[in-house]
Amino acid sequence: GAGVSQTPSNKVTEKGKYVELRCDPISGHTALYWYRQSLGQGPEFLIYFQGTGAADDSGLPNDRFFAVRPEGSVSTLKIQRTERGDSAVYLCASSLMAAAVDTQYFGPGTRLTVL
Amino acid sequence: AQSVSQHNHHVILSEAASLELGCNYSYGGTVNLFWYVQYPGQHLQLLLKYFSGDPLVKGIKGFEAEFIKSKFSFNLRKPSVQWSDTAEYFCAVSQIQGAQKLVFGQGTRLTINP
Repeated sequence: GAGVSQTPSNKVTEKGKYVELRCDPISGHTALYWYRQSLGQGPEFLIYFQGTGAADDSGLPNDRFFAVRPEGSVSTLKIQRTERGDSAVYLCASSLMAAAVDTQYFGPGTRLTVL
Repeated sequence: AQSVSQHNHHVILSEAASLELGCNYSYGGTVNLFWYVQYPGQHLQLLLKYFSGDPLVKGIKGFEAEFIKSKFSFNLRKPSVQWSDTAEYFCAVSQIQGAQKLVFGQGTRLTINP
């Protein structure tokens, strides 16, 4: 079946602009995660949804970052007043539930470049 | 806070050589352990995982990893590598309870020369 998809694959924006990054999880997966991967680093956790609610947003770096999942499926990561330091690959992952036995399946990521 | 350390940033081997990639983690409680792989141009995918039981875990493509609790280590091994194993390898941990957010190491780039 279809895997996790993310759009756009690449996004170039100017400092100070607002961006939205979209994640379509695998159908039926209730758990959804956002990670951010900077150059030369491993992915870093941002936020986790169980269903429609953000169960853990402890990884969001500041209040410019916000994410929603209104119907428990598609999620959107929103970044306000982008800064050059926000440039990274933003990864989305989904799993059937949020149990350790459930594998997290990753999408291809959105490469965000802030000029 | 949890942290994961991968000591090798870039490893270069010839085909048929044996591989061991180091991974150490810092966390006082019980953890789940993972190795993920990212082949060139592809998504991150799970290679193997450890939850409990036998500390020697076998994964896909002939990879295995051994959990040594006393050393806080989860090293990845393969007895004979192939050119197709060229990829970036990430070790990760998660807590056994609650949200399964993964804490990743910085990754090891593996290059296999034919």
